Amino acid sequence: IVLTQSPGTLSLSPGERATLSCRAGQSVSFTYSAWYQQKPGQAPRLLISAASNRAAGVPDRFSGSASGREFTLTINSLEPEDAAVYFCQQYETFGQGTRVQIK
Amino acid sequence: QLQLLQSGAEVRKPGSSVRVSCQISGGTFDTYTIDWVRQAPGQGLEWLGAIIPVSGATKYAQKFLGKVTISAEESTTTIFMDLRSLTSEDTAHYYCARGGQSLTPGGLGVWGQGTTVTVSS
Repeated sequence: IVLTQSPGTLSLSPGERATLSCRAGQSVSFTYSAWYQQKPGQAPRLLISAASNRAAGVPDRFSGSASGREFTLTINSLEPEDAAVYFCQQYETFGQGTRVQIK
Repeated sequence: QLQLLQSGAEVRKPGSSVRVSCQISGGTFDTYTIDWVRQAPGQGLEWLGAIIPVSGATKYAQKFLGKVTISAEESTTTIFMDLRSLTSEDTAHYYCARGGQSLTPGGLGVWGQGTTVTVSS
């Protein structure tokens, strides 16, 4: 499976909304999809599983959705600590990542 | 609270092998998978394989068949990842992470701190 994340980099101001996309090259089961946040020097952190289930302790400004071959991570009201690289996962494949920068 | 404690950094020569361990702390062997994921410097994430600790059942990414072996030792609640025939392309951070109750990966909720493996002559 090929996963394509877009955009490559997102630069937004605090309080704005970030929309990250992950598109699969073929039909998939979103039961096995996930989103992770990774900050420099840290292990990835699970944010969302099964397309829309928020992991324990994840702020509710993070949400996930899916339609067709695309699943989406939305970060409402960005905060400075949301600056990170975000990876999607579907089965054994990870996307290449989207870097979110806070202006 | 469940934690995954990984072994320390390793340096190996090309052609050799390395074993990285991942001890389950604050939990027991159960039906939740322990997966291995690696990340080369400045690169993305790559799934290597997974094991169901209580049964020893394993699944590997096609790319790593014959290259990686994952095993479990219940007496020490430790999972091992053996990587053989090392090349410079195996230089990476290696993470263990706890998944779900299926060997099909999809949501890794608890991660180890990572182990750096450097392959250099």
